Amino acid sequence: QKEVEQNSGPLSVPEGAIASLNCTYSDRGSQSFFWYRQYSGKSPELIMFIYSNGDKEDGRFTAQLNKASQYVSLLIRDSQPSDSATYLCAVNPLSGGSYIPTFGRGTSLIVHP
Amino acid sequence: ETGVTQSPTHLIKTRGQQVTLRCSSQSGHNTVSWYQQALGQGPQFIFQYYREEENGRGNFPPRFSGLQFPNYSSELNVNALELDDSALYLCASSLERGANTGELFFGEGSRLTVL
Repeated sequence: QKEVEQNSGPLSVPEGAIASLNCTYSDRGSQSFFWYRQYSGKSPELIMFIYSNGDKEDGRFTAQLNKASQYVSLLIRDSQPSDSATYLCAVNPLSGGSYIPTFGRGTSLIVHP
Repeated sequence: ETGVTQSPTHLIKTRGQQVTLRCSSQSGHNTVSWYQQALGQGPQFIFQYYREEENGRGNFPPRFSGLQFPNYSSELNVNALELDDSALYLCASSLERGANTGELFFGEGSRLTVL
């Protein structure tokens, strides 16, 4: 079973703070890593992807990958109430010759004014 | 550019019935994946289709089946519905199926309630 683990939260942070979301995965063969945001009642939307060890920054978002530790994280700087959502981590383990995006259960983030 | 569309958006069925959910992939995308998302859970992979062939399958029983058509649209069929099948069914399209696939474009989902 190829697993992706996330703390379900909720993670509550004040407006303007840094929110740190974490994810671990079990399959060392995973090649790519994704963060999706899902607002309540809506479908997931991709916000970041990362393929190589290290940090990748995009605006207020930074994705961090450590393949040796099988760990990927998402930092949200200057958090805004509009960032309140569930954040889904997804990885791409190789399964039966195909790469199948596999999701964690998501972490609920609440940004309070 | 046309996004991913799913139909119906909501439906109610009773135990033992059958349901067909439909998905039109984003223009130019040849891969469609179906996910089941129960309340408070992450999306669970059902299966993926690439150029009309099943390309991978998750841990779902055979009563979950699918099709992909030449225009890359897709159907998910569920037979002998059970109460636990109540969930949001998400269709996602992507450009390719390789190692970097994961940039999935989701439709708004079909909310299925089984009574």
